[in-house]
Amino acid sequence: KAGVTQTPRYLIKTRGQQVTLSCSPISGHRSVSWYQQTPGQGLQFLFEYFSETQRNKGNFPGRFSGRQFSNSRSEMNVSTLELGDSALYLCASSLEINSPLHFGNGTRLTVT
Amino acid sequence: GENVEQHPSTLSVQEGDSAVIKCTYSDSASNYFPWYKQELGKGPQLIIDIRSNVGEKKDQRIAVTLNKTAKHFSLHITETQPEDSAVYFCAQGYQAGTALIFGKGTTLSVSS
Repeated sequence: KAGVTQTPRYLIKTRGQQVTLSCSPISGHRSVSWYQQTPGQGLQFLFEYFSETQRNKGNFPGRFSGRQFSNSRSEMNVSTLELGDSALYLCASSLEINSPLHFGNGTRLTVT
Repeated sequence: GENVEQHPSTLSVQEGDSAVIKCTYSDSASNYFPWYKQELGKGPQLIIDIRSNVGEKKDQRIAVTLNKTAKHFSLHITETQPEDSAVYFCAQGYQAGTALIFGKGTTLSVSS
């Protein structure tokens, strides 16, 4: 079974632009979560979606948003990019609510 | 706020030795404690998890112990091998699959 697939793997954007990252969960998994990983702050929870509804949200500004489609695929969007948004963005999926998370290999975003 | 403290930040062992990583948490309502292994260029991989109604769990060379009274849990790796070299993260949450809070990671180096 294929794992969590994230596209693109690498992205370079300029401050002020916006970006959309994509995630395809493991087949059959219905929940998708997003995390940001930086050397300074570590792994931080962004949000979680289940059945196209946001179930939970971390402590990030409103510039960070996401959505989930009926096929469980998910996208996250960051608007008005700042230098501090440079990070590895990780998507994870789980079979159901209260099931373990399985991560993809992430999208490395660099903001210049 | 809720946090997870992970120690040590780096750990070097000889092949065949045991390695122990410890995490302490602050939220007594936490019920789920996973451990992830992250290799360079990859996303975190779930290696073992434990829920609050269990004190210990083993999977071959890996074991996790949980002390809810003291609010700490530990990862034990026996008979370490060079391929165990990676960054290990502990995490805690109210339930699996959502809003996990991660420790800062332990870089394990196993030399042959």
